[in-house]
Amino acid sequence: NAGVTQTPKFQVLKTGQSMTLQCAQDMNHEYMSWYRQDPGMGLRLIHYSVGAGITDQGEVPNGYNVSRSTTEDFPLRLLSAAPSQTSVYFCASSWSHNTGYSGYTFGSGTRLTVV
Amino acid sequence: GEDVEQSLFLSVREGDSSVINCTYTDSSSTYLYWYKQEPGAGLQLLTYIFSNMDMKQDQRLTVLLNKKDKHLSLRIADTQTGDSAIYFCAESPNTGNQFYFGTGTSLTVIP
Repeated sequence: NAGVTQTPKFQVLKTGQSMTLQCAQDMNHEYMSWYRQDPGMGLRLIHYSVGAGITDQGEVPNGYNVSRSTTEDFPLRLLSAAPSQTSVYFCASSWSHNTGYSGYTFGSGTRLTVV
Repeated sequence: GEDVEQSLFLSVREGDSSVINCTYTDSSSTYLYWYKQEPGAGLQLLTYIFSNMDMKQDQRLTVLLNKKDKHLSLRIADTQTGDSAIYFCAESPNTGNQFYFGTGTSLTVIP
């Protein structure tokens, strides 16, 4: 019963570096998403996926890429890190968005600092 | 996107009741949710309410929904120091594929 697993938990990057934040779920959830959390701004949706092979942009997609080759995995790639991407990143999944109750299960987060 | 609004801070004394308020914008949301985030952790689903209900009670938690005013509240009875956390409300409109979270209310319980 791992739920949603995010790695790494902490990361420091230099400006311009690229990296991938990993997210995996073992609940066979169709819907997966990435949020960033910044003080006073709540959670803002970066990208989401309604199933394998399907991704779409959220509120703040610039500077990030995603792919969904399997149901289980939904990695988030930072193409060229900028200080404005310093944040806490959460991956979340649910059975489905539009069919009945479908609250999220969240990962424990990745704290990213870009210097 | 949708606007889900919450006040940022709330302080209460241990043993008192806490009431956290939220306003949302999309009346098509079938479910509305409350999440709790403890320091350094991800969000955990606390409770949810179906849109055709006015109230839901779960032990110390009471959720009230006023659909006319698009107002959601979470009442925590007999608040304990372990309830200190950030509480987020969220809505899930029937159109589109997104959840919308409020900014979160940081609850501090004073011993």
